[in-house]
Amino acid sequence: EPEVTQTPSHQVTQMGQEVILRCVPISNHLYFYWYRQILGQKVEFLVSFYNNEISEKSEIFDDQFSVERPDGSNFTLKIRSTKLEDSAMYFCASSEIRTATNEKLFFGSGTQLSVL
Amino acid sequence: RKEVEQDPGPFNVPEGATVAFNCTYSNSASQSFFWYRQDCRKEPKLLMSVYSSGNEDGRFTAQLNRASQYISLLIRDSKLSDSATYLCVGGTIFGQGTELSVKP
Repeated sequence: EPEVTQTPSHQVTQMGQEVILRCVPISNHLYFYWYRQILGQKVEFLVSFYNNEISEKSEIFDDQFSVERPDGSNFTLKIRSTKLEDSAMYFCASSEIRTATNEKLFFGSGTQLSVL
Repeated sequence: RKEVEQDPGPFNVPEGATVAFNCTYSNSASQSFFWYRQDCRKEPKLLMSVYSSGNEDGRFTAQLNRASQYISLLIRDSKLSDSATYLCVGGTIFGQGTELSVKP
């Protein structure tokens, strides 16, 4: 069964450093997403991406964050200057289509980011 | 602001019980609704879509009431393996999840 893959599974970084989280969405999917989940809290939407541009972003997704699809398979989330509060599990997701009634998301297993 | 609200629980039920979760959403423009299941420290996994006409999949039944902006999930004959957090989703917005613990 096709799946979304994320690397690394765990990333440790120093405050102020840049990190890039990587995702390979399911190959025939067209819509890509990043979510985060701080320990013990809800899954929070960050950004959605379609046709090589951001289609929607939340207020969490400020200038510190950027997304890119550098080639035909990878989808990356960059955090420019990490803060302690960026420590969370980051989930990538993809969906095949996005219609009024069908936006089923398939999630990767996540990257646990720890900012020290 | 788009919000999806759920009772966080926990719901502690015996095996075989029927349990119902509710969820409300604030964005009336939302078109797609889902229930996901999340096991501890794992990724959310799609459980089922939610339609106004109702949607049943084995022991699980989901319902959408657009007039009240309300979504429900019913689990019949609950199993130990149903223990997880159930996430209500409207569009791209997740609720905080309802924790279910099924005991022998």
